[in-house]
Amino acid sequence: RKEVEQDPGPFNVPEGATVAFNCTYSNSASQSFFWYRQDCRKEPKLLMSVYSSGNEDGRFTAQLNRASQYISLLIRDSKLSDSATYLCVANQAGTALIFGKGTTLSVSS
Amino acid sequence: NAGVTQTPKFQVLKTGQSMTLQCAQDMNHNSMYWYRQDPGMGLRLIYYSASEGTTDKGEVPNGYNVSRLNKREFSLRLESAAPSQTSVYFCASSEDVTYYGYTFGSGTRLTVV
Repeated sequence: RKEVEQDPGPFNVPEGATVAFNCTYSNSASQSFFWYRQDCRKEPKLLMSVYSSGNEDGRFTAQLNRASQYISLLIRDSKLSDSATYLCVANQAGTALIFGKGTTLSVSS
Repeated sequence: NAGVTQTPKFQVLKTGQSMTLQCAQDMNHNSMYWYRQDPGMGLRLIYYSASEGTTDKGEVPNGYNVSRLNKREFSLRLESAAPSQTSVYFCASSEDVTYYGYTFGSGTRLTVV
């Protein structure tokens, strides 16, 4: 079983829509979690860190449920510029990060 | 700030050739990492260095070697390239992976023919 699993999508939504991505992780010892954004043929860039129960940054909200080993990312009022692949990431015992395969989002006008 | 710099950006090798991918960071980070990214496989850890002078294997180390030359530089060597090593290679560094995650370089696109 892959340590971090995501629905690959693609998610195709109109501008202004709200979209949610889900992610599960298998290692209960994981201490912290992140969402990265990756544009086509570019490097991943940190979008949000996820500590304790979750956090919010503008239109983006990340939530963590340790009991269910589940992480989510909510994007409100989607913009064309939000089109990208979103990577769910778990910290592996403080040594390295484990990446999900990513969820592709396409926002259309 | 340059952040994490990788060279080269693109490379084509013939099967059996060797090459070294270079990575340097100017953020005074202790830990550095090498990943490969393949379609449908996501990012997979090849090797990492938690601090200067130490290196450890990741998920897919076979066919690769690494050198942590100093705190700034972490190189990845392919001794005898194989077509299966065709991939995009990303270097990353971190101040503290638990709290800050990684900063990535822009990647090296390697094709082995």
